[in-house]
Amino acid sequence: DSGVTQTPKHLITATGQRVTLRCSPRSGDLSVYWYQQSLDQGLQFLIQYYNGEERAKGNILERFSAQQFPDLHSELNLSSLELGDSALYFCASAPRHINTEAFFGQGTRLTVV
Amino acid sequence: AQSVTQLDSQVPVFEEAPVELRCNYSSSVSVYLFWYVQYPNQGLQLLLKYLSGSTLVKGINGFEAEFNKSQTSFHLRKPSVHISDTAEYFCAVSEWDTGGFKTIFGAGTRLFVKA
Repeated sequence: DSGVTQTPKHLITATGQRVTLRCSPRSGDLSVYWYQQSLDQGLQFLIQYYNGEERAKGNILERFSAQQFPDLHSELNLSSLELGDSALYFCASAPRHINTEAFFGQGTRLTVV
Repeated sequence: AQSVTQLDSQVPVFEEAPVELRCNYSSSVSVYLFWYVQYPNQGLQLLLKYLSGSTLVKGINGFEAEFNKSQTSFHLRKPSVHISDTAEYFCAVSEWDTGGFKTIFGAGTRLFVKA
């Protein structure tokens, strides 16, 4: 158990809909990273938050957004969903803003139908 | 890193044989290097990391990796594999880039250990 909790584990939704994925980092970790894992794209970095502020941005679509709350949990919002958004979404946490060791959650499997 | 290349998508190997999983990256700046393992239906688990210092890094489960700056490589090795090592292995590189300090992952290498 990495100490990072992601909910829900599975999510099935229709195209055009909006979903929210939730991540609780390890106790004491201030950074949260979001990744998307799909068969064709591999593991893609989406975005990082550190202590409530956006710190780094990767290949995140404009339809996607994230935030980190004062209690340090984070949410990834995916809107206007398309079939191609079906993937495994991972959250990882780390103690500092520079990634020297990230701990991954078990992921949320999103299926868009 | 502009890219992380894992040279083998699949590596079949017999139990108790040695294995090397190859990773090359392209970067012009100092980097941190990682190997992660992913078992089916699970998240990624850190095997080992190189931040600085000795270029030979030892990790969990008997794995080790060597950082070669001149060849921009960070190959993962294990002298004797077990069936339980069957999993997907990801090489990752962290560096400063436009937009912040980012970690880029390779496409993964599926290690399949046969009895």
